[in-house]
Amino acid sequence: DTAVSQTPKYLVTQMGNDKSIKCEQNLGHDTMYWYKQDSKKFLKIMFSYNNKELIINETVPNRFSPKSPDKAHLNLHINSLELGDSAVYFCASSQEFGRGTYGYTFGSGTRLTVV
Amino acid sequence: GQNIDQPTEMTATEGAIVQINCTYQTSGFNGLFWYQQHAGEAPTFLSYNVLDGLEEKGRFSSFLSRSKGYSYLLLKELQMKDSASYLCAVSNSNSGYALNFGKGTSLLVTP
Repeated sequence: DTAVSQTPKYLVTQMGNDKSIKCEQNLGHDTMYWYKQDSKKFLKIMFSYNNKELIINETVPNRFSPKSPDKAHLNLHINSLELGDSAVYFCASSQEFGRGTYGYTFGSGTRLTVV
Repeated sequence: GQNIDQPTEMTATEGAIVQINCTYQTSGFNGLFWYQQHAGEAPTFLSYNVLDGLEEKGRFSSFLSRSKGYSYLLLKELQMKDSASYLCAVSNSNSGYALNFGKGTSLLVTP
């Protein structure tokens, strides 16, 4: 299946722990993103990578570190987790860059709960 | 920065027509998107407008006026399965063409 797949789907962890979320796309897209959707359903961009290069880094605590080993993968590592990090994290990819985007393909989301 | 505004909630009756409005303020505008998101699922792409006018795709249509910073999503012949959140998103060249989303409109379709 061609898709954006992210793992795990659910993640429950204690405050202070370090965790990673993985994302892979087999669509051949050049650009990948991480978005955070909070409890009010607001979808906010965190990072964007184009061909393994960081393009966008919104105001995100430096406890969040994205890593892109190749253009098909964009992982998100979070250090010292806090209660406020609880949210659904979506990975997405898109084909076009520099000439505008023609829509994202989203992964199914990772629901992170920090207790 | 940019402001994207859309109503928080709307209710409509099965079989009816509903229009969801979105206004935005941005520089370097590069397109406006509508996404549908069912509870607990990922957003799915509905439409894309970069030029003024109406784009029709089956029961769904989307309209854009760049001079007014205004778009709407029109849903016809509403079905119960159309109950979902509808997200307006704007792409602009000043933020790497990434999509910036509005807070979404939660649509409830009633029998």
